[in-house]
Amino acid sequence: ELKVEQNPLFLSMQEGKNYTIYCNYSTTSDRLYWYRQDPGKSLESLFVLLSNGAVKQEGRLMASLDTKARLSTLHITAAVHDLSATYFCAALRSNTGNQFYFGTGTSLTVIP
Amino acid sequence: DTEVTQTPKHLVMGMTNKKSLKCEQHMGHRAMYWYKQKAKKPPELMFVYSYEKLSINESVPSRFSPECPNSSLLNLHLHALQPEDSALYLCASSQPTGGVGYTFGSGTRLTVV
Repeated sequence: ELKVEQNPLFLSMQEGKNYTIYCNYSTTSDRLYWYRQDPGKSLESLFVLLSNGAVKQEGRLMASLDTKARLSTLHITAAVHDLSATYFCAALRSNTGNQFYFGTGTSLTVIP
Repeated sequence: DTEVTQTPKHLVMGMTNKKSLKCEQHMGHRAMYWYKQKAKKPPELMFVYSYEKLSINESVPSRFSPECPNSSLLNLHLHALQPEDSALYLCASSQPTGGVGYTFGSGTRLTVV
């Protein structure tokens, strides 16, 4: 079974600061996805990382993938309050084709 | 606008009721999914349909019964639920190989009383 762990589980950070969320997975996975979820809402796709070394950036968020280390990171630059949400990574289990395994989630609160 | 539409958005049902959740996608995806999410937890996979056939059932109790009438529609029939089944139920779709990931619907907030 593919296990996906995120840390930290909870993150409180001040506006303007930088921080990184880590996502580790236990077995081979070629693809890694990041989602954002606001309270009571559904999941919104942020990034799709399809190969080793992939780096994607959108605004203050940047995601990267190292398949050899089985690690993905989500880096937050100069945080703003609007980034407060829960962030999930999800790994695709290669030999099942389409089954995602979600990480535990990181609840981010950006405080003024 | 989401391209995966779920109805209803909210549902309150008694433990003896029968109800259905509906999901429709117009993205041409051939894989559709039901997930259950409790507060402050990640989504838990319930069912996977690929090409309208049930391919994964994650040991879900029989009081949950999925149905995929065609490539655009996915239903979840509910009967004799328990209060602990109260949760956010999410439908998602994707290409059969996962592709660029899932597109999630807005979810149905289910409360069992």
